[in-house]
Amino acid sequence: DTAVSQTPKYLVTQMGNDKSIKCEQNLGHDTMYWYKQDSKKFLKIMFSYNNKELIINETVPNRFSPKSPDKAHLNLHINSLELGDSAVYFCASSQDLGGVDTGELFFGEGSRLTVL
Amino acid sequence: ILNVEQSPQSLHVQEGDSTNFTCSFPSSNFYALHWYRWETAKSPEALFVMTLNGDEKKKGRISATLNTKEGYSYLYIKGSQPEDSATYLCAFTGTASKLTFGTGTRLQVTL
Repeated sequence: DTAVSQTPKYLVTQMGNDKSIKCEQNLGHDTMYWYKQDSKKFLKIMFSYNNKELIINETVPNRFSPKSPDKAHLNLHINSLELGDSAVYFCASSQDLGGVDTGELFFGEGSRLTVL
Repeated sequence: ILNVEQSPQSLHVQEGDSTNFTCSFPSSNFYALHWYRWETAKSPEALFVMTLNGDEKKKGRISATLNTKEGYSYLYIKGSQPEDSATYLCAFTGTASKLTFGTGTRLQVTL
């Protein structure tokens, strides 16, 4: 069984559309994340979320919103897609070791979003 | 904005060579330093998580050291093999900050 799974792996859509990427983890972890791999291949955190706190990177446009129906899922919803949103998005999870996350991250395989 | 820097940006070695690269991070408010291995077309995989100054961790031919006072960590690969080719990422967590990734060192090992 895949520990952290994302769907879809590939998503091609038109500018202005709204889309979602789903993420599920079966590790029983407390905290889930969304990362964006930018054009320079850097991994930039977008959100981290546990059942207590959502932390949003202030550089993330409010067109992006995380939605967590339960502890095992953190979906990424994007409104009004723009060309610059094209990237690979990675979901990850970790076990919260007491306030500050020090647990290693387990990543999904990434979802490549292409906005035309 | 936290500065987590890695050097070199890329590295090309021959099979059998030993190599090392550096991650530098803020020395204040340190909590943990992670190393990840990221193969092309795959997702990053954790190698080590280190929390104490002077920590040394080893996994097979790969090892890492940590100096929190001066804000650096080294990753060593002994006897590089082609399957070691990947991007190696370090990531820093501070006492008041979430994990911040470095820019990565891309390693290419050729026969």
